[in-house]
Amino acid sequence: AAGVIQSPRHLIKEKRETATLKCYPIPRHDTVYWYQQGPGQDPQFLISFYEKMQSDKGSIPDRFSAQQFSDYHSELNMSSLELGDSALYFCASSSRLAGVVDTQYFGPGTRLTVL
Amino acid sequence: AQSVTQLGSHVSVSEGALVLLRCNYSSSVPPYLFWYVQYPNQGLQLLLKYTSAATLVKGINGFEAEFKKSETSFHLTKPSAHMSDAAEYFCAVSHYGNNRLAFGKGNQVVVIP
Repeated sequence: AAGVIQSPRHLIKEKRETATLKCYPIPRHDTVYWYQQGPGQDPQFLISFYEKMQSDKGSIPDRFSAQQFSDYHSELNMSSLELGDSALYFCASSSRLAGVVDTQYFGPGTRLTVL
Repeated sequence: AQSVTQLGSHVSVSEGALVLLRCNYSSSVPPYLFWYVQYPNQGLQLLLKYTSAATLVKGINGFEAEFKKSETSFHLTKPSAHMSDAAEYFCAVSHYGNNRLAFGKGNQVVVIP
Protein backbone atom coordinates (compact mmCIF):
# COMPACT_ATOMS: atom_id res chain seq x y z
CA ALA A 1 0.00 0.00 0.00
CA ALA A 2 1.13 3.51 -0.74
CA GLY A 3 2.58 5.41 2.20
CA VAL A 4 3.38 8.99 3.05
CA ILE A 5 6.40 10.23 1.14
CA GLN A 6 8.74 12.86 2.48
CA SER A 7 11.63 14.53 0.75
CA PRO A 8 14.42 14.99 1.24
CA ARG A 9 15.17 12.31 3.81
CA HIS A 10 18.24 14.14 5.03
CA LEU A 11 19.12 17.81 4.86
CA ILE A 12 22.12 19.71 6.13
CA LYS A 13 21.99 23.49 6.33
CA GLU A 14 23.99 26.31 7.85
CA LYS A 15 22.62 28.73 10.43
CA ARG A 16 20.47 31.49 8.97
CA GLU A 17 19.81 29.50 5.79
CA THR A 18 16.37 28.39 4.61
CA ALA A 19 15.00 24.90 4.10
CA THR A 20 11.95 23.45 2.40
CA LEU A 21 10.55 20.08 3.37
CA LYS A 22 8.01 18.30 1.22
CA CYS A 23 5.29 15.83 2.06
CA TYR A 24 3.17 13.73 -0.27
CA PRO A 25 0.19 12.20 1.56
CA ILE A 26 -1.36 8.82 0.99
CA PRO A 27 -3.61 8.99 -2.10
CA ARG A 28 -7.11 10.27 -1.31
CA HIS A 29 -6.03 11.58 2.09
CA ASP A 30 -7.17 15.17 2.54
CA THR A 31 -5.42 16.16 5.76
CA VAL A 32 -1.73 16.69 6.43
CA TYR A 33 0.03 17.18 9.76
CA TRP A 34 3.58 18.28 10.57
CA TYR A 35 5.43 17.25 13.72
CA GLN A 36 8.91 18.03 15.00
CA GLN A 37 10.89 15.48 17.02
CA GLY A 38 14.02 16.79 18.70
CA PRO A 39 16.82 14.41 19.77
CA GLY A 40 15.50 12.06 22.42
CA GLN A 41 12.17 13.86 22.50
CA ASP A 42 8.58 13.00 21.71
CA PRO A 43 7.06 14.42 18.52
CA GLN A 44 5.55 17.89 18.88
CA PHE A 45 2.67 19.06 16.71
CA LEU A 46 3.46 22.02 14.46
CA ILE A 47 0.60 22.61 12.05
CA SER A 48 -2.09 20.86 10.02
CA PHE A 49 -4.07 21.41 6.84
CA TYR A 50 -7.42 20.12 5.71
CA GLU A 51 -8.52 20.58 2.12
CA LYS A 52 -5.72 23.09 1.56
CA MET A 53 -6.73 25.29 4.48
CA GLN A 54 -4.85 25.54 7.75
CA SER A 55 -6.91 23.61 10.26
CA ASP A 56 -4.81 23.78 13.43
CA LYS A 57 -1.63 25.42 14.64
CA GLY A 58 0.67 24.27 17.39
CA SER A 59 4.10 25.30 18.57
CA ILE A 60 5.38 26.40 15.20
CA PRO A 61 7.90 29.26 15.21
CA ASP A 62 7.06 32.39 13.25
CA ARG A 63 10.12 31.64 11.10
CA PHE A 64 8.31 28.59 9.76
CA SER A 65 5.44 28.57 7.31
CA ALA A 66 3.58 25.82 5.55
CA GLN A 67 0.93 25.27 2.97
CA GLN A 68 -1.01 22.52 1.26
CA PHE A 69 -1.33 22.57 -2.51
CA SER A 70 -4.12 21.61 -4.89
CA ASP A 71 -2.68 18.10 -5.27
CA TYR A 72 -2.73 17.82 -1.44
CA HIS A 73 1.01 17.72 -1.04
CA SER A 74 2.38 20.02 1.60
CA GLU A 75 5.56 22.00 2.10
CA LEU A 76 7.13 23.25 5.32
CA ASN A 77 9.32 26.30 4.78
CA MET A 78 11.86 27.16 7.43
CA SER A 79 13.84 30.40 7.38
CA SER A 80 16.65 31.87 9.47
CA LEU A 81 17.55 28.39 10.64
CA GLU A 82 18.91 28.00 14.15
CA LEU A 83 20.91 25.19 15.72
CA GLY A 84 17.84 24.26 17.75
CA ASP A 85 15.90 23.52 14.60
CA SER A 86 17.94 20.36 14.14
CA ALA A 87 15.36 17.59 14.45
CA LEU A 88 13.40 14.92 12.69
CA TYR A 89 10.39 16.41 10.93
CA PHE A 90 7.46 14.10 10.35
CA CYS A 91 4.55 14.49 8.07
CA ALA A 92 1.39 12.48 8.65
CA SER A 93 -1.75 12.19 6.59
CA SER A 94 -5.31 11.12 7.24
CA SER A 95 -8.67 10.96 5.57
CA ARG A 96 -11.66 12.58 7.21
CA LEU A 97 -13.82 11.02 4.54
CA ALA A 98 -13.13 7.60 6.04
CA GLY A 99 -15.04 8.28 9.22
CA VAL A 100 -15.07 10.18 12.45
CA VAL A 101 -11.82 9.01 13.89
CA ASP A 102 -8.79 10.70 12.48
CA THR A 103 -6.04 8.09 12.20
CA GLN A 104 -2.74 9.58 11.19
CA TYR A 105 -0.22 7.66 9.11
CA PHE A 106 3.32 8.91 9.34
CA GLY A 107 6.03 9.29 6.75
CA PRO A 108 9.66 8.28 7.35
CA GLY A 109 10.64 11.82 8.30
CA THR A 110 13.20 14.36 7.16
CA ARG A 111 16.27 14.67 9.34
CA LEU A 112 17.38 18.29 9.37
CA THR A 113 20.81 19.13 10.69
CA VAL A 114 21.71 22.80 11.16
CA LEU A 115 25.43 23.52 11.46
CA ALA B 1 -5.56 20.21 27.37
CA GLN B 2 -5.10 16.54 26.63
CA SER B 3 -1.90 14.73 27.54
CA VAL B 4 -0.45 11.29 28.17
CA THR B 5 2.11 10.07 30.66
CA GLN B 6 4.47 7.20 30.04
CA LEU B 7 6.64 6.19 32.95
CA GLY B 8 10.06 4.62 32.65
CA SER B 9 11.89 5.88 29.60
CA HIS B 10 13.85 2.62 29.23
CA VAL B 11 12.23 -0.78 29.64
CA SER B 12 14.23 -4.01 29.57
CA VAL B 13 12.46 -7.29 28.98
CA SER B 14 13.75 -10.80 28.49
CA GLU B 15 12.98 -12.57 25.25
CA GLY B 16 9.78 -14.57 25.74
CA ALA B 17 8.64 -12.51 28.72
CA LEU B 18 5.62 -10.25 28.99
CA VAL B 19 5.92 -6.77 27.59
CA LEU B 20 3.97 -4.16 29.57
CA LEU B 21 4.13 -0.45 28.73
CA ARG B 22 2.02 1.90 30.79
CA CYS B 23 0.14 4.90 29.48
CA ASN B 24 -2.13 7.18 31.46
CA TYR B 25 -4.08 9.94 29.79
CA SER B 26 -5.64 13.20 30.80
CA SER B 27 -8.54 14.50 28.75
CA SER B 28 -11.64 16.50 29.57
CA VAL B 29 -13.56 14.84 26.73
CA PRO B 30 -13.70 11.22 25.53
CA PRO B 31 -10.27 10.45 24.14
CA TYR B 32 -8.99 8.63 21.13
CA LEU B 33 -5.84 6.74 22.11
CA PHE B 34 -3.05 5.38 19.98
CA TRP B 35 0.15 3.42 20.32
CA TYR B 36 2.89 3.99 17.77
CA VAL B 37 6.22 2.19 17.39
CA GLN B 38 9.38 3.78 16.05
CA TYR B 39 12.29 1.65 14.88
CA PRO B 40 15.73 3.28 14.64
CA ASN B 41 15.92 5.88 11.89
CA GLN B 42 12.37 5.19 10.80
CA GLY B 43 9.00 6.86 11.01
CA LEU B 44 6.14 6.15 13.38
CA GLN B 45 4.11 3.04 12.69
CA LEU B 46 0.61 2.65 14.09
CA LEU B 47 0.33 -0.37 16.39
CA LEU B 48 -3.28 0.02 17.49
CA LYS B 49 -5.95 2.56 18.39
CA TYR B 50 -8.91 3.01 20.70
CA THR B 51 -11.85 4.91 19.25
CA SER B 52 -14.66 4.38 21.79
CA ALA B 53 -15.69 0.96 20.49
CA ALA B 54 -14.30 -2.19 22.13
CA THR B 55 -12.18 -1.47 25.20
CA LEU B 56 -9.74 -4.30 24.42
CA VAL B 57 -7.94 -3.45 21.22
CA LYS B 58 -5.76 -5.83 19.26
CA GLY B 59 -3.03 -4.50 17.06
CA ILE B 60 -0.23 -5.67 14.84
CA ASN B 61 2.70 -7.87 15.85
CA GLY B 62 0.77 -9.49 18.72
CA PHE B 63 0.27 -6.31 20.73
CA GLU B 64 -2.94 -5.36 22.48
CA ALA B 65 -4.11 -2.61 24.79
CA GLU B 66 -7.03 -2.16 27.13
CA PHE B 67 -8.84 1.12 27.69
CA LYS B 68 -9.83 1.60 31.33
CA LYS B 69 -11.78 4.77 31.89
CA SER B 70 -11.85 4.38 35.68
CA GLU B 71 -8.05 4.30 35.71
CA THR B 72 -7.56 6.70 32.77
CA SER B 73 -5.17 4.14 31.34
CA PHE B 74 -4.35 2.53 28.01
CA HIS B 75 -1.54 0.10 28.78
CA LEU B 76 0.13 -1.86 25.98
CA THR B 77 0.95 -5.55 26.38
CA LYS B 78 2.42 -8.43 24.46
CA PRO B 79 2.53 -11.90 26.01
CA SER B 80 5.94 -12.90 24.68
CA ALA B 81 8.68 -10.50 23.65
CA HIS B 82 10.69 -11.05 20.49
CA MET B 83 14.04 -9.55 19.64
CA SER B 84 12.32 -7.66 16.83
CA ASP B 85 10.21 -5.77 19.40
CA ALA B 86 13.21 -3.66 20.37
CA ALA B 87 12.12 -0.13 19.45
CA GLU B 88 10.66 3.04 20.93
CA TYR B 89 6.97 3.05 21.74
CA PHE B 90 4.83 6.18 21.98
CA CYS B 91 1.36 6.54 23.42
CA ALA B 92 -0.68 9.40 21.97
CA VAL B 93 -4.07 11.02 22.53
CA SER B 94 -6.46 13.10 20.50
CA HIS B 95 -10.19 13.63 20.49
CA TYR B 96 -13.03 14.43 18.15
CA GLY B 97 -12.78 18.02 17.01
CA ASN B 98 -9.08 18.33 17.88
CA ASN B 99 -7.12 15.93 15.77
CA ARG B 100 -3.59 16.90 16.74
CA LEU B 101 -1.79 14.09 18.52
CA ALA B 102 -0.25 14.70 21.91
CA PHE B 103 2.50 12.17 22.53
CA GLY B 104 3.99 10.76 25.69
CA LYS B 105 7.76 10.81 26.23
CA GLY B 106 8.10 7.31 24.87
CA ASN B 107 9.46 3.98 26.14
CA GLN B 108 12.69 2.61 24.71
CA VAL B 109 12.27 -1.17 24.83
CA VAL B 110 15.35 -3.37 25.02
CA VAL B 111 14.90 -7.12 24.58
CA ILE B 112 17.47 -9.27 26.36
CA PRO B 113 18.25 -12.64 24.77
